[in-house]
This record gives sequence, C-alpha cells and structure tokens, in this order.
Amino acid sequence: GAGVSQSPSNKVTEKGKDVELRCDPISGHTALYWYRQSLGQGLEFLIYFQGNSAPDKSGLPSDRFSAERTGGSVSTLTIQRTQQEDSAVYLCASSSVGVEQYFGPGTRLTVT
Amino acid sequence: AQSVTQPDIHITVSEGASLELRCNYSYGATPYLFWYVQSPGQGLQLLLKYFSGDTLVQGIKGFEAEFKRSQSSFNLRKPSVHWSDAAEYFCAVGALIQGAQKLVFGQGTRLTINP
Repeated sequence: GAGVSQSPSNKVTEKGKDVELRCDPISGHTALYWYRQSLGQGLEFLIYFQGNSAPDKSGLPSDRFSAERTGGSVSTLTIQRTQQEDSAVYLCASSSVGVEQYFGPGTRLTVT
Repeated sequence: AQSVTQPDIHITVSEGASLELRCNYSYGATPYLFWYVQSPGQGLQLLLKYFSGDTLVQGIKGFEAEFKRSQSSFNLRKPSVHWSDAAEYFCAVGALIQGAQKLVFGQGTRLTINP
C-alpha cells in the first residue's frame, strides 16, 4: 500500500517568508510525527498528533513553528518568518497505536 | 529523559567483513529500541525493533541486534556486509505517551564500504 508522502520534496524560500510543509500519513494510522534533521542538531523530535490533537508540542523550536492536523489524516507544518537556521530536512512519520513509525521521504527546506 | 549515544560517527569496513554498530541508551523504564537506516537523499527505513521478549532480534537485510539491559546497549550486527549497506544508521529509543511513541535518536553512524 501507499506509504507516507510529503510535499514539496524541496523548497527554497527567502528569509522572512512563511512556508507550509505537508504530510500525508499511511491510511488508518492514528499517530503522526514531525522531526527535523539538520547537520548541527541531528534528528530532532518536533511534535506529534494523536488523532487531531497535539498532546506534546515541547519540541517546536520557537513560536514561529506551528502544526495542525485535520480529519485525523493530513498534517501541515508551518514556519513563519523563516530564518536561515530553519534550513533542514523535515521528516514526517506515522504509526498505529504503540508500534513502529514509518517515515516519509522528507522535505528539504533551504532558506536563502 | 531519554537519550541515545552512538559512539562511532563514521565506520569503514571492507565488503564481506562483519559489522557491529554500537548504541547505548538511557531510559528509566523498559525501553522500546529501534534501528533505522537512511540512504543518501532517502527517508528512514526501519531495520528492526525491540519491544520485549527475546533479546536477540532479527531484522531486514540480514541485520540483527542484541538488547543487553545490564549494559544499556542495543548493538547492530551483520555477519557479512554488502556494498549496498553503505548508508547512515540511526539508533532510537521510544516511549509510549498517550498511545503514541516519541522517538529520541542517536547522532547516527555513517557506514562506508570498501570494495
């Protein structure tokens, strides 16, 4: 079946612009996760959703980052007023309750 | 808080040689442990996982890992590597939180294969 998909695969934006990154999880997976992978920080947890709610937002780096999930499916990660340090690969994963996470291919974000 | 240490940033082995990648974790309860592999430009693929039971777990692509509670380790092994195994390998520890699982990753080990 279809895996986790993310769009766009690559995004180049100018400093100060807002960006939206999209994640389509595996159908039926109730949990959805966002991670960031950067050279300096490795793989960092950002946020997860159980259904449409986000019980743990502690990983979001600043208040410029927000995320939502609608219909228990698609999720959008929004970064406002992007900075160069936001350049990274943003990975999305989904899982059924209590089992392993399946990752998407990621969105490579470059802030110029 | 959970943490994972992968002591080796980069390892080079010859094709056909055996491989062991080290992983040490810190977690207060029984851990859920994972190894993921990432090829260049790709997402993360799960190699194997440990939740409970037999401490030697088998994964895909001929990999195995052994959970040693006394050493807080979960090392990944393969008896004979292939050139296609060149990639970055990540160890992760997870904890169930309200039905979901937050993963904490190590810094990764980059594996290079010499022909």
